[in-house]
Amino acid sequence: DSGVTQTPKHLITATGQRVTLRCSPRSGDLSVYWYQQSLDQGLQFLIQYYNGEERAKGNILERFSAQQFPDLHSELNLSSLELGDSALYFCASSVGLAGYDEQFFGPGTRLTVL
Amino acid sequence: AQTVTQSQPEMSVQEAETVTLSCTYDTSESDYYLFWYKQPPSRQMILVIRQEAYKQQNATENRFSVNFQKAAKSFSLKISDSQLGDAAMYFCAYRNENLQGGSEKLVFGKGTKLTVNP
Repeated sequence: DSGVTQTPKHLITATGQRVTLRCSPRSGDLSVYWYQQSLDQGLQFLIQYYNGEERAKGNILERFSAQQFPDLHSELNLSSLELGDSALYFCASSVGLAGYDEQFFGPGTRLTVL
Repeated sequence: AQTVTQSQPEMSVQEAETVTLSCTYDTSESDYYLFWYKQPPSRQMILVIRQEAYKQQNATENRFSVNFQKAAKSFSLKISDSQLGDAAMYFCAYRNENLQGGSEKLVFGKGTKLTVNP
């Protein structure tokens, strides 16, 4: 157990819908990362937050948004869902920003868009 | 932009034998970190080993060791005395050391599926 929790574990929804994925980082970790793992694109970085502020964006679609709340948990919002959004979404957290800081991954949320 | 390449989509090894997984990367940075992550069928991402680019000494963690060749931009993982529990997807990853800001994101390779035969 990495100490990072993600809910829900599985999510099945239809095209055009909107979903919210939730992540609680390890106690004391200020940095949160979201990654998407799909068969065709592999593991890709979506967005990073540090202590409530957006720090960097990666290959995140405009239909997707995220935020980190004062209690440091984070939510990833996916809207106007398409079949291609089906993937495993990981949240990871680290204590700080040093390159050496290990990123601890949550168990992921499996999103299926039908 | 940094890229990570794993040229072996699949590898297999006999139990108790040694296997080496390959990884190459491309970067213009001098300070960075390299990682190997393991993803078993449970899908959990587990850090196996990491290497700081400024260290010449190769990292080791029990049965896992790396061969880091900075000039060649190569970072291979050697698993000794392979066990059935080593069967998983293995991802090589790169991370910048951003001292002036920017992202500390991980850049992953496509992965190598390792099968361990009894």
